[in-house]
Amino acid sequence: DAKTTQPTSMDCAEGRAANLPCNHSTISGNEYVYWYRQIHSQGPQYIIHGLKNNETNEMASLIITEDRKSSTLILPHATLRDTAVYYCIVRPVSGGSYIPTFGRGTSLIVHP
Amino acid sequence: NAGVTQTPKFQVLKTGQSMTLQCAQDMNHNSMYWYRQDPGMGLRLIYYSASEGTTDKGEVPNGYNVSRLNKREFSLRLESAAPSQTSVYFCASSEPGRTEAFFGQGTRLTVV
Repeated sequence: DAKTTQPTSMDCAEGRAANLPCNHSTISGNEYVYWYRQIHSQGPQYIIHGLKNNETNEMASLIITEDRKSSTLILPHATLRDTAVYYCIVRPVSGGSYIPTFGRGTSLIVHP
Repeated sequence: NAGVTQTPKFQVLKTGQSMTLQCAQDMNHNSMYWYRQDPGMGLRLIYYSASEGTTDKGEVPNGYNVSRLNKREFSLRLESAAPSQTSVYFCASSEPGRTEAFFGQGTRLTVV
């Protein structure tokens, strides 16, 4: 599975957009990019995923570069409740025996 | 819809005591996982079960045993607890080839 690299920490002002980058330069053509977040003391929660095209849901937007070597998770109007650790992972399109593997992620702090 | 349920939520053990952490999912998922998370660290896989009747070691299996009791339940047992096993334990489930993994709310275990 491809490895991902994320900044250790970021901060953002409440109401502004939070842009969280992820590098996955060794991603293969049959791997999705997934994003999860973990709010303090809770289990990780799925946010969004994508393969090639940009994706948007009620929680966030995912922008994937054309070469697929990096992506950005965008929280368009960050709130204090978005303070969490954000994990970017890759997974094969065909599940098989895939095991979700999480690194240290990016700790996002949203301040007033 | 409960998703993934873990019991207990909190536990304090003395060194050498044994206990079983329970996990149940109601999404009819085939795969289930046990992770541990230490302060400032990502999630590390202890054991997983790709399907009912199968279990495999993950990254940090020493000191633990698991049982996939049926498709719904996957338990984690500490036979002789050690202070190094003080951690937050998360159970997760997923369906191979489908989207995201779902996590429980965690069990906070302290071994004194």
